[in-house]
Amino acid sequence: SAVISQKPSRDICQRGTSLTIQCQVDSQVTMMFWYRQQPGQSLTLIATANQGSEATYESGFVIDKFPISRPNLTFSTLTVSNMSPEDSSIYLCSALTSGLYNEQFFGPGTRLTVL
Amino acid sequence: GQQVMQIPQYQHVQEGEDFTTYCNSSTTLSNIQWYKQRPGGHPVFLIQLVKSGEVKKQKRLTFQFGEAKKNSSLHITATQTTDVGTYFCADGTSYGKLTFGQGTILTVHP
Repeated sequence: SAVISQKPSRDICQRGTSLTIQCQVDSQVTMMFWYRQQPGQSLTLIATANQGSEATYESGFVIDKFPISRPNLTFSTLTVSNMSPEDSSIYLCSALTSGLYNEQFFGPGTRLTVL
Repeated sequence: GQQVMQIPQYQHVQEGEDFTTYCNSSTTLSNIQWYKQRPGGHPVFLIQLVKSGEVKKQKRLTFQFGEAKKNSSLHITATQTTDVGTYFCADGTSYGKLTFGQGTILTVHP
């Protein structure tokens, strides 16, 4: 299993600013991901955070808007750049361990409100 | 991942009643996973189904994977208030990457 922490847990930001979200896993994991979840909605994958190389983005998400870093096997950051109210959402990181099942462990999420 | 349709969107039941949520895909899935998200919480893994026709049970929860591996269901027998939350199926065909269904929000009235 894996225990994941995220910082900050929530933030209220002004339009046009940027916020960096940190994700820390308590053990080395093979893969890390970033998801977005609108309140009451499903989860949408933003990107796969690759250790030591550029993240792999899903359709509709670009690096300039959501730069991601993963300097080692236990840590990743997601930046939401030049924010607008449409970016208000919950951002979750997840980790895939090398266990028997392909289960993903999710962090508690970062609730972002953009004014 | 492929698009996975999940129904119903909402389900209100009286405590003790059964509950079922269904997921359907237009394409064959290599595996399907189920997650539960409590109100204000994050998704927590419940189970993964891989084999055609597979049925797995966890206490009052029964998970099924269709013979064609295009549909799946989660059935809860005799719901309890602790079952409240949103249940998501997720296509795990692309290794590690999950495509989530829309989720079913379960409300249990005591």
